[in-house]
Amino acid sequence: GNSVTQMEGPVTLSEEAFLTINCTYTATGYPSLFWYVQYPGEGLQLLLKATKADDKGSNKGFEATYRKETTSFHLEKGSVQVSDSAVYFCALIISANSGYALNFGKGTSLLVTP
Amino acid sequence: GAVVSQHPSRVICKSGTSVKIECRSLDFQATTMFWYRQFPKQSLMLMATSNEGSKATYEQGVEKDKFLINHASLTLSTLTVTSAHPEDSSFYICSARASHSYNEQFFGPGTRLTVL
Repeated sequence: GNSVTQMEGPVTLSEEAFLTINCTYTATGYPSLFWYVQYPGEGLQLLLKATKADDKGSNKGFEATYRKETTSFHLEKGSVQVSDSAVYFCALIISANSGYALNFGKGTSLLVTP
Repeated sequence: GAVVSQHPSRVICKSGTSVKIECRSLDFQATTMFWYRQFPKQSLMLMATSNEGSKATYEQGVEKDKFLINHASLTLSTLTVTSAHPEDSSFYICSARASHSYNEQFFGPGTRLTVL
């Protein structure tokens, strides 16, 4: 079946540090891959996405590359800010039988300290 | 970007009562809406998929008689938690997918349900 595995947190970094949050997936066919972010007290927001192999999604300094050979979609940012503190979810689109519902990883909590 | 609203944002109710949560797509038509449940410090678990004008499709383990879903129009889906119990306390999140885009969903801000 389809599933997403992401590194467990919490991750604590100092401001301007480099961030990597690992995400690997198992899927039948060719899923679309996503990173969502949930800031404290808010709903989920799409951070970036990639719909096919070798695509790179990017937004707000975050990047992730769809790697079919390693079934990975790791999230990276070169220099994190305190405002990046949030929970990050890796996700993929399930098949059409579920109306293209998202299948989420467990989330990784990030805390950036000044 | 597209906006999805949920109402109420938080609700406290007594055990045995029913609670209705509304999910609305404000500036687009959503042929499909999804209802998720999120436990503290855990991921979102899909409860059901709701298509306008048809019965919802529930995930395994989700009681359809307890979690009633109605998708009456292209901009509104409702989730009713019937005969709520304390174990139903959770964060309920809806999302909506526009008819023209299979891989883009927009999420509501969530509803915090507390059953006493």
